[in-house]
Amino acid sequence: QQQVKQSPQSLIVQKGGIPIINCAYENTAFDYFPWYQQFPGKGPALLIAIRPDVSEKKEGRFTISFNKSAKQFSLHIMDSQPGDSATYFCAASSRGNTGKLIFGQGTTLQVKP
Amino acid sequence: EAQVTQNPRYLITVTGKKLTVTCSQNMNHEYMSWYRQDPGLGLRQIYYSMNVEVTDKGDVPEGYKVSRKEKRNFPLILESPSPNQTSLYFCASSLMGSNSPLHFGNGTRLTVT
Repeated sequence: QQQVKQSPQSLIVQKGGIPIINCAYENTAFDYFPWYQQFPGKGPALLIAIRPDVSEKKEGRFTISFNKSAKQFSLHIMDSQPGDSATYFCAASSRGNTGKLIFGQGTTLQVKP
Repeated sequence: EAQVTQNPRYLITVTGKKLTVTCSQNMNHEYMSWYRQDPGLGLRQIYYSMNVEVTDKGDVPEGYKVSRKEKRNFPLILESPSPNQTSLYFCASSLMGSNSPLHFGNGTRLTVT
């Protein structure tokens, strides 16, 4: 019940395409859903985060869509660029226990020029 | 510069030889955490600390120890390393728990032979 399942494991798109990465969870106590971006040789860095009181959040070319009833959320990257090539992780954390952060398995994205 | 510093970046050791990976942050963050990253498994939380002298187990604490004697430091100790602890380790910190943005170090790649 503590798991966050992420798909796909890897993704290749052409420049300008819109890659979509999906995550699903079971624990209804989760109420904070961040996405992290990781470049080779670096630690992950926060990209964008959402709470379940909204269904969508945009920051620049990155959008999180959130479906509370389906317990799913996804990351869309508009007008993708080769510089977006990285590994992306979704994550979830519960209200009341602000110590545990559960990550998905990760998606390696390659954007071809 | 605000940062999380881990040392060493690379470490090769033998089974059973005690080792410590250091982590230090200069942002006056309350919360610190250790993760291990393995292919296909994403980031799994080992231990976390909500404040000085307060530590709790994450999802994979077996074989690891931590301490938080000062706010800025959160070392990870492997008392008797085994080959299944070969992994990429990340330390992270945040202002207030897992529901606020995590700042990650650049990782420590550990190989246990």
